[in-house]
Amino acid sequence: EVQLVESGGGLVQPGGSLKLSCAASGFTFSGSAMHWVRQASGKGLEWVGRIRSKANSYATAYAASVKGRFTISRDDSKNTAYLQMNSLKTEDTAVYYCTRHRSNAFDIWGQGTMVTVSS
Amino acid sequence: DIQMTQSPSSLSASVGDRVTITCRASQGISNYLAWYQQKPGKVPKLLIYAASTLQSGVPSRFSGSGSGTDFTLTISSLQPEDVATYYCQKYNSAPFTFGPGTKVDIK
Repeated sequence: EVQLVESGGGLVQPGGSLKLSCAASGFTFSGSAMHWVRQASGKGLEWVGRIRSKANSYATAYAASVKGRFTISRDDSKNTAYLQMNSLKTEDTAVYYCTRHRSNAFDIWGQGTMVTVSS
Repeated sequence: DIQMTQSPSSLSASVGDRVTITCRASQGISNYLAWYQQKPGKVPKLLIYAASTLQSGVPSRFSGSGSGTDFTLTISSLQPEDVATYYCQKYNSAPFTFGPGTKVDIK
C-alpha cells in the first residue's frame, strides 16, 4: 500500500524547535520529490517547502514565511523525509502534511501531524 | 511570485446542479494546475492535474479546463458527498502556491 506517515508533532514554546518525520512506503521514495504543506485551524493550505531527489541534487525550496527557519532533508535509506523547524512562532501552529510530488502534482498525502506553538 | 485566486469563496447549490469554480494565476503557468478536494476533517485529495486530467478513481462528474492564467473546475451534477473545500494549485515551480479555496455545500 502506498502510504506516507508523519510523526513528531506536539506542543513547543515560541522560539523552540521541533523535527517532523515522514515515513514512506509502497513506492520508490528515492525517486520522488517530497513536499511539506501546512494548514492552520479553519484556514487554507499553505505550501511550506520541498526536497527533490538525488538525481536533482536534493534541491530544496521554501516558502518565504519559513525560509531561514525551516530545513527539509531526507534519508533515502530509511525512506523518510524530515522537516526541521527552528525559531518557531505562534503562527506556525498548524497541521503539517507531507506529500509526494510527481508529474501528476501532489498525488499522495499523509494523515498530518499537529504542531502547536504556545507558551 | 505568482498569486492564485479563486472565485467564489463559497457557494451553495442543490443536488444535481452544475457547479463551476474559477481559479486565476497572476502570470501564465501553462497547464501546471491541479485541483484538490478536502472534505471536513480529512486529508486533501488530488482530483485533477495538468489542468484537465482526471486523477485515477475520481468520478467523471468532475472536470477541469483552462490554460495560461484562467482555469475552471466543474462538477456536472453535484452530489451530497461533494460537500468540501476545493483548492487550486500551481505546481510548475516554487513556490507551489495554493488558491484560498472554495467551500461547496448543499442548499
